[in-house]
Amino acid sequence: ETGVTQSPTHLIKTRGQQVTLRCSSQSGHNTVSWYQQALGQGPQFIFQYYREEENGRGNFPPRFSGLQFPNYSSELNVNALELDDSALYLCASSLDSLRGLPGSGGYTFGSGTRLTVV
Amino acid sequence: GNSVTQMEGPVTLSEEAFLTINCTYTATGYPSLFWYVQYPGEGLQLLLKATKADDKGSNKGFEATYRKETTSFHLEKGSVQVSDSAVYFCALSPYNTDKLIFGTGTRLQVFP
Repeated sequence: ETGVTQSPTHLIKTRGQQVTLRCSSQSGHNTVSWYQQALGQGPQFIFQYYREEENGRGNFPPRFSGLQFPNYSSELNVNALELDDSALYLCASSLDSLRGLPGSGGYTFGSGTRLTVV
Repeated sequence: GNSVTQMEGPVTLSEEAFLTINCTYTATGYPSLFWYVQYPGEGLQLLLKATKADDKGSNKGFEATYRKETTSFHLEKGSVQVSDSAVYFCALSPYNTDKLIFGTGTRLQVFP
């Protein structure tokens, strides 16, 4: 197992630009979730992907989108960046979506990408 | 709706002191409850969890009991160490999902 790796670690973008954040999930983990953590706040659920399909979404606008690939990697894309998008973005992978089972929270989190929008 | 409320920090303690970090929740149905820890520059690590009422989660000397009657999941440790200094997040996962809803976090600072 190699854990969850996110890239880049830090990023500065200008308002209105687009950004792609990347995550390499733990080997064999077919479920990935993305969270946004604003400074001094707890992480907020953006969306989850299970076997390359979106499987649940939080209260985020459509300009937040994602992709999951067969090799356990995934992307978070944000279009038309706003200043409030400045945050730490966390990727978390798990062995399987729980689909109808009680939550286990058995996620492995990456160290995150710090995005600053100026 | 579902939400988690944690005591504000920072919590500052001397080494070997007793730790309590309060956490209460609001949820429909029967959520699972968690404590995550975030060390500086690192991602979140699952510390402990409880999936039903009266369950006690424990790990590395930390404990928390799922109290449905008080909708609480307070984190305790009998004797903290400097290495426990971190931010602690209480979280819930609504029944039938594995989405996590986090509190705002409590920073713990332990001094020698």
